[in-house]
Amino acid sequence: GAVVSQHPSWVICKSGTSVKIECRSLDFQATTMFWYRQFPKQSLMLMATSNEGSKATYEQGVEKDKFLINHASLTLSTLTVTSAHPEDSSFYICSARVSMNTEAFFGQGTRLTVV
Amino acid sequence: QKEVEQNSGPLSVPEGAIASLNCTYSDRGSQSFFWYRQYSGKSPELIMSIYSNGDKEDGRFTAQLNKASQYVSLLIRDSQPSDSATYLCAVNGWGFQKLVFGTGTRLLVSP
Repeated sequence: GAVVSQHPSWVICKSGTSVKIECRSLDFQATTMFWYRQFPKQSLMLMATSNEGSKATYEQGVEKDKFLINHASLTLSTLTVTSAHPEDSSFYICSARVSMNTEAFFGQGTRLTVV
Repeated sequence: QKEVEQNSGPLSVPEGAIASLNCTYSDRGSQSFFWYRQYSGKSPELIMSIYSNGDKEDGRFTAQLNKASQYVSLLIRDSQPSDSATYLCAVNGWGFQKLVFGTGTRLLVSP
């Protein structure tokens, strides 16, 4: 399958600081990338959908000013958690797909801990 | 009504048995269907995709789709303890960008 690389795998940050997570499709061009959050023993929760060169579409209840998403190229999307707080501690996962109706491939995930 | 429904399990099967995982969806216009496997603490990985009615086989895995019944299933033959994971069903409605995931079925394969 296609490869999606997410970096970093884990990060610890202080409350009030910002953290940037990168998601790269290594061997294909991703017109669409998705960002998910998953708390322990819970389901994937879609945060936002991003298309290259346009603004991300956020799911209801997700603060767009807190979770900044940039999809500057067909192979790179970033999620920045601004002014992070302990309740933002979670497992953040990106996925990417070539086009509508095709498979989506997931990155390895980033475990964020805010202290 | 949930858009994609799965039994949360756990589904327990002995090693070597066939594990049958089921999923129903509400959007009759859905066109593409996927099964992902997620190990605890890891991100999901794609196992199978299926787009048309019938069966699709890949190694020990068989995906089955019945659009009339709005039902998709995954069979795992010769189940191994390493198959123990949560299996996520995902559905893509026609013209929609995002996949809709079920909550997953936890599979436990005992040696």
